[in-house]
Amino acid sequence: AQSVTQLGSHVSVSEGALVLLRCNYSSSVPPYLFWYVQYPNQGLQLLLKYTTGATLVKGINGFEAEFKKSETSFHLTKPSAHMSDAAEYFCAVSPTTGGFKTIFGAGTRLFVKA
Amino acid sequence: DTGVSQDPRHKITKRGQNVTFRCDPISEHNRLYWYRQTLGQGPEFLTYFQNEAQLEKSRLLSDRFSAERPKGSFSTLEIQRTEQGDSAMYLCASSSGGQSDTQYFGPGTRLTVL
Repeated sequence: AQSVTQLGSHVSVSEGALVLLRCNYSSSVPPYLFWYVQYPNQGLQLLLKYTTGATLVKGINGFEAEFKKSETSFHLTKPSAHMSDAAEYFCAVSPTTGGFKTIFGAGTRLFVKA
Repeated sequence: DTGVSQDPRHKITKRGQNVTFRCDPISEHNRLYWYRQTLGQGPEFLTYFQNEAQLEKSRLLSDRFSAERPKGSFSTLEIQRTEQGDSAMYLCASSSGGQSDTQYFGPGTRLTVL
């Protein structure tokens, strides 16, 4: 069975600082990997996804994530935080074959201090 | 493309009552998903449809829960004999197909069971 662990339910950074949100997954085979963002009172929005190919994936709003198979990780980064990045971020996995059930992590709330 | 819509946005009901939620996916999207999200947690998969066929159901979906997508367009999620533990945000998402396709989420229906 697949599972996702997001380390840190809350992360606080200063505006302009590096953002690092951690995600580790468990799966018998490497899954597809996703990061979603949820702003208050809005639906989840895809930031980026890894399917195949280049392990460094670039997404919207300056975010990127790197798939590291040996570490079963898919951490999300952004070089310089902006106040508008304050939101909840979810890492998710789905199987590459045999169904489309997506498993989400518990989420990490990002706070950005002025 | 008007996005995924859900109705109602909020529902307050008394324990033991039945409730029904509706989801309208993005037109032409043949896959539709239902999730449940409780405070401080990520979305939990409930079920998904490929056109009108319900292909997978989570064990979270007890016999009090039923979902339909009769014509392969909108979907309904019914909860019978609601319990206080059913209080949550119910999310709907749709996608166009493919193993790693992007899911587009609606704003959710917040259910409160008194």
